[in-house]
Amino acid sequence: ETGVTQTPRHLVMGMTNKKSLKCEQHLGHNAMYWYKQSAKKPLELMFVYSLEERVENNSVPSRFSPECPNSSHLFLHLHTLQPEDSALYLCASSQDEGTTSPLHFGNGTRLTVT
Amino acid sequence: GENVEQHPSTLSVQEGDSAVIKCTYSDSASNYFPWYKQELGKRPQLIIDIRSNVGEKKDQRIAVTLNKTAKHFSLHITETQPEDSAVYFCAASIPGNTPLVFGKGTRLSVIA
Repeated sequence: ETGVTQTPRHLVMGMTNKKSLKCEQHLGHNAMYWYKQSAKKPLELMFVYSLEERVENNSVPSRFSPECPNSSHLFLHLHTLQPEDSALYLCASSQDEGTTSPLHFGNGTRLTVT
Repeated sequence: GENVEQHPSTLSVQEGDSAVIKCTYSDSASNYFPWYKQELGKRPQLIIDIRSNVGEKKDQRIAVTLNKTAKHFSLHITETQPEDSAVYFCAASIPGNTPLVFGKGTRLSVIA
C-alpha cells in the first residue's frame, strides 16, 4: 500500500468551481511535489515544497494554488480552470529535495473540467 | 535546462522476449537516472535507478545501462511477462536540489 495518499481519486468540476486536491504522506519525507500527467506528454512538475517551503514553481498558471501546511500534507487549490487542465494530478514525496532521493507517488486524482 | 528524450513511444513484444527502451539526455552534468513503471490506472513506481559512477545495474530480469559519453541510458527487460505491460518512464537529474526531468514514456505491451 502506498505511503502517499491522494483524495479524491476522481473529480469533475465546472470552469467556475473551486475545489481542492489533498495529498498526505506517511513516510516521514521532507519534500513534496505536484505533477500533472496528460496523455502523450511527460510528467510535468508543477510545484516543489521542501520542509514546507515552496522551492520551485514551474510557471504554473495562478488558477492552481498550492498549500503545504506541514511536511505531511500538501494541497492543490483549483479555481476557474480550463478544459485543457483535465489530467491526472499526481502527488509525490521524497526524503529530501535532492536528486538522490527516489520519488514516491500517490495514486493521483483524475480531474475533468467541463 | 535538462531535456530527456525517450524511444520508442510504444513497444510490443512476445512473452519471453526481451524489451529495450532507450533515453537520451542533454546535460552532461546529470548524474542520477531512475526508471519508473506505471501500470494502467496506478501510480508510477521506481523499479531501478543508476548513478553516473556505474555503467550497469541489474535487478533480476531488469537491467539499466548508462553511456555517459553518448549521454544515453537504456532499460532492458529480459524474459518478459504479461505483468510487465505498463508505461515506463525514464528520468534524469543534475546534482543538487533540482527536480527530475522525465521522458514522455514508453507503453510496453507483452503479448502472451
